[in-house]
Amino acid sequence: SQQGEEDPQALSIQEGENATMNCSYKTSINNLQWYRQNSGRGLVHLILIRSNEREKHSGRLRVTLDTSKKSSSLLITASRAADTASYFCATDQAGTALIFGKGTTLSVSS
Amino acid sequence: DVKVTQSSRYLVKRTGEKVFLECVQDMDHENMFWYRQDPGLGLRLIYFSYDVKMKEKGDIPEGYSVSREKKERFSLILESASTNQTSMYLCASTPSQHTKNIQYFGAGTRLSVL
Repeated sequence: SQQGEEDPQALSIQEGENATMNCSYKTSINNLQWYRQNSGRGLVHLILIRSNEREKHSGRLRVTLDTSKKSSSLLITASRAADTASYFCATDQAGTALIFGKGTTLSVSS
Repeated sequence: DVKVTQSSRYLVKRTGEKVFLECVQDMDHENMFWYRQDPGLGLRLIYFSYDVKMKEKGDIPEGYSVSREKKERFSLILESASTNQTSMYLCASTPSQHTKNIQYFGAGTRLSVL
């Protein structure tokens, strides 16, 4: 019952460029979260946006949420090599079990 | 900081062995989760637990069982390991379900079943 689907599956950019990845989902949500996973490690929470919010910022991260289109985007500005990782969106419906997408793999080269 | 510790980073087992994956969290979280992660399939929920001795099946519970005898510890058990259970296993925890459900993950256990 996966709900979030990230797009693109993979993204390669140069340091200093912006990276945008998108997430679509299918049913109503309470909130949407983004996580990062460095290679071979666990996931780390980045940012959460509630269903009544449209945009949220955290440092170089900007998340938008469009509930009418059931989509969210994560923008990383001025990317660095250290941003190389996989990024997952996760949706929280009524319960405690998040539903994760398959992720976008971001590669930032110097 | 919340710490979720998985007992092994890498594990190699034989087909048919009984395998225990251990997870401990130090923040008195009520909810704990086990996921497996496979290329192209993302994270899939195996089991989760709301409280001590309570467990709920996730999306792919077949071939797995869990144990939560203490609040801080959540064990995933492969009763008879099979090669299709070769995967990355991730444990996570979150406080009461009335919070925002931000999950805190361990570093993962990469299990190979030969």
